[in-house]
Amino acid sequence: DADVTQTPRNRITKTGKRIMLECSQTKGHDRMYWYRQDPGLGLRLIYYSFDVKDINKGEISDGYSVSRQAQAKFSLSLESAIPNQTALYFCATSDLRTATGELFFGEGSRLTVL
Amino acid sequence: KNEVEQSPQNLTAQEGEFITINCSYSVGISALHWLQQHPGGGIVSLFMLSSGKKKHGRLIATINIQEKHSSLHITASHPRDSAVYICAVWDNNDMRFGAGTRLTVKP
Repeated sequence: DADVTQTPRNRITKTGKRIMLECSQTKGHDRMYWYRQDPGLGLRLIYYSFDVKDINKGEISDGYSVSRQAQAKFSLSLESAIPNQTALYFCATSDLRTATGELFFGEGSRLTVL
Repeated sequence: KNEVEQSPQNLTAQEGEFITINCSYSVGISALHWLQQHPGGGIVSLFMLSSGKKKHGRLIATINIQEKHSSLHITASHPRDSAVYICAVWDNNDMRFGAGTRLTVKP
């Protein structure tokens, strides 16, 4: 089983619908991240969390919200999806003890907003 | 201007060729990462560098901190090396990513 699991892997939805992408990890890492990837652009940070009580906005947080339900779970919500939120979304984790260390990515969730 | 610039954006090679992908960054960093993204979308870490050079099989990564530049080399390239290669640097609490280099190795 993957260390970082994202669900759903693919989702097609309509404008205005609420969408939740879920991420769970078995690595025991404190730090969790949500990124989006668009063609021709690098991964961009949406939100990050350093522990259950810590939530921080990233570069492109508008239109998104997150919930850190437990150390192992970090969910991303789109309250009212719009077409320019069509993208590939990645959850990632890293170890708090290695501030510049390796990121471990989920397999990605492809979201299409019609 | 992006903080992390990669070149080339796209690269096509014949099997066996020596490949070089370049990465330049403008932020102060403590570590640089090279990542590989396969067509299915999954991303894996290849190297983490803070100085010098690292080698793993046919892959070699180098970094010049003074020039803020890193290169990823693939020797004896193979079709299974076809992927998007991404350079990334830690900047405070965020990792900044290049747009990626799409490599296609033809048999």
